[in-house]
Amino acid sequence: NFMLTQPHSMSESPGKTVTISCTRSGGSIASSFVQWYQQRPGSSPSTVIFENYRRPSVVPERFSGSIDRSSNSASLTISGLKTEDEGDYYCQSSDNVNPVIFGGGTKLTVL
Amino acid sequence: QVQLLQWGAGLLKPSETLSLTCAVYGGSFSDYYWSWIRQTPGKGLEWIGEINHSGSTNYNASLKSRVSTSVDTSKHQFSLQLTSVTAADTAVYYCARGRVNGGRDFQHWGQGTLVTVSS
Repeated sequence: NFMLTQPHSMSESPGKTVTISCTRSGGSIASSFVQWYQQRPGSSPSTVIFENYRRPSVVPERFSGSIDRSSNSASLTISGLKTEDEGDYYCQSSDNVNPVIFGGGTKLTVL
Repeated sequence: QVQLLQWGAGLLKPSETLSLTCAVYGGSFSDYYWSWIRQTPGKGLEWIGEINHSGSTNYNASLKSRVSTSVDTSKHQFSLQLTSVTAADTAVYYCARGRVNGGRDFQHWGQGTLVTVSS
């Protein structure tokens, strides 16, 4: 089994840039694609990044994803923060044994 | 436009069986794996398991002994059963469409069903 570790919470001001990390323990971050989901209170999760860096067409360009083999982690960067970006963000990946593993989630506050 | 609509009993007693169904509207039913994911109050997401149109399944090892899934391709529906529930199974349960990309990519989710287990 592997784990995906995210910071529990982050906060930043509107207009700024925030980067949320997702560190894989057990196996290489590059071995499987990483997805990122946004979940606003009371709503189902929605995809903001899939396959490490791809954005669904409805997601603004302010959202970007990447992976870093040296730190064995993935990152979600949100630039030009807006109050509507507040919510919980989850990374998700897989390995040969587990088709789906989620990170613990990061609560993003924009204030 | 793809929509997933789910339903099932929201209040169970300990030892009962949780049963949920998810109907898929729009898009292909045969090109994806269909997953169940839960979220305990104030906690993160936990993948429960999945099934495809031909009935092939994969389950979270920690829940495998209590989980079963089924599919009705004629209705584009799939279902979850979780036996011997306890208070620890209280959660919001989601169905989701999983695109296979080596792992899974969930771009369509149901609205969620709150299931409470209480005596």
